[in-house]
Amino acid sequence: AQTVTQSQPEMSVQEAETVTLSCTYDTSESDYYLFWYKQPPSRQMILVIRQEAYKQQNATENRFSVNFQKAAKSFSLKISDSQLGDAAMYFCAYRKNSGGSNYKLTFGKGTLLTVNP
Amino acid sequence: NAGVTQTPKFQVLKTGQSMTLQCAQDMNHEYMSWYRQDPGMGLRLIHYSVGAGITDQGEVPNGYNVSRSTTEDFPLRLLSAAPSQTSVYFCASSPPSGRAGDTQYFGPGTRLTVL
Repeated sequence: AQTVTQSQPEMSVQEAETVTLSCTYDTSESDYYLFWYKQPPSRQMILVIRQEAYKQQNATENRFSVNFQKAAKSFSLKISDSQLGDAAMYFCAYRKNSGGSNYKLTFGKGTLLTVNP
Repeated sequence: NAGVTQTPKFQVLKTGQSMTLQCAQDMNHEYMSWYRQDPGMGLRLIHYSVGAGITDQGEVPNGYNVSRSTTEDFPLRLLSAAPSQTSVYFCASSPPSGRAGDTQYFGPGTRLTVL
């Protein structure tokens, strides 16, 4: 069974600084996707960024980027120029890419990010 | 499109009561899922459906029933609520193709408290 581990229950960062959230996963699959979701106090689950395991290039979305190390099974999220609105719970998630697997994401336990002004 | 909608947003039940959490999507997605979120646990899959008339169990199915009579709707039923079912419940939908862009779309969640 696949597992996703987020080893940092809480992190804090100063506004305008950079922070990195860690995620490791365990799988025997070679074809899969990894995601970072943001959950603000509103509870809404918001997709931040996604990475396909077959792509060597790390995904980037504006101030958000990932460091995907497939051999190490590591998938960290870097937030640059942190803003107060980035304060939220962040979840790392995994989904395998075999046919018909798009009904299930496996989530880590989350990292609560605080942004200090 | 409204996306994925859930009702109610909040609910308080007494132990032993029954209720149905509603979920609907207007994106014509074949796949729908129910997750529960508990503090320190992330989201865990309760039940899922790969199409109308087809449902199956996820990681934590005990105490919950589902049915899928239409593509749009996927209600979650608690037959006899227990305090251990106090949680935030999320419904999600997705197309079946599994392409990178086809991730799950989440509803706003229902916070359920069982006294």
